[in-house]
Amino acid sequence: GQQLNQSPQSMFIQEGEDVSMNCTSSSIFNTWLWYKQDPGEGPVLLIALYKAGELTSNGRLTAQFGITRKDSFLNISASIPSDVGIYFCAGPAGGTSYGKLTFGQGTILTVHP
Amino acid sequence: GAVVSQHPSRVICKSGTSVKIECRSLDFQATTMFWYRQFPKQSLMLMATSNEGSKATYEQGVEKDKFLINHASLTLSTLTVTSAHPEDSSFYICSARMRGNEQFFGPGTRLTVL
Repeated sequence: GQQLNQSPQSMFIQEGEDVSMNCTSSSIFNTWLWYKQDPGEGPVLLIALYKAGELTSNGRLTAQFGITRKDSFLNISASIPSDVGIYFCAGPAGGTSYGKLTFGQGTILTVHP
Repeated sequence: GAVVSQHPSRVICKSGTSVKIECRSLDFQATTMFWYRQFPKQSLMLMATSNEGSKATYEQGVEKDKFLINHASLTLSTLTVTSAHPEDSSFYICSARMRGNEQFFGPGTRLTVL
C-alpha cells in the first residue's frame, strides 16, 4: 500500500525559530493534508493541498504540494510555545479519492520558551 | 463548521465488559466515518471505515466481532469494544469525511481496561 515517510521524527527548537518538516510518498498523491495533534486530543486539519506546485498559507503556516506529486512540506515561521504537538502529513490511501487516508509517522515538535 | 464530537472522552472499565463510544458530526452530514486507534507517540492506525446504512469495512488484523461498528445515521457512528481486555486500552479517535479527502477528527476517547 501507500507509504508516507515524514521527517524529521522530532524537533527541539527555541521560540521564534522557523520550522520545516516534509513528507515523501512512494507514489503519486492527488491531495496532501497536514494535521496537528495536541496531547490527548484529536488531530486538527491545518492545510489541505490539491494541486501540484500549490503553495498555501494559514497564518504562520505554509505548505506546498510538490511538483512531482510525491512530496509536500510544512513550514512554521516564528514558532511560539503553543506550536508544540505532533504534526502529521496525510494523503489518500491507494491514490484514490474514496476517503481512506495514509498518515506519516508524525513530527514531534517541542518549542522552548 | 466541520465539528466532530466524541463521547465519552475518557472511560475506565473492568476486564470483560463492553464499552460504546459515540462519534457525531455536529454541523455536517457524513456518509463515511473512520475509526482509528493510537498508541502513545505513534501515528494513527485505521481500524475500520464506517459507511452509513451499510456494514463497516475493517482493516486487516482488526477483529470485527470485537470492535462492533454501527453507522445508523448521517451524523452518528458508534464503536463498541466488546469483552474488553487490558490490551484494548488505547486512545480511540473517530473522523468524519466532509468533502473530497478531508477528514475532520473527534477529540478522542481514552479507554483504560483494568
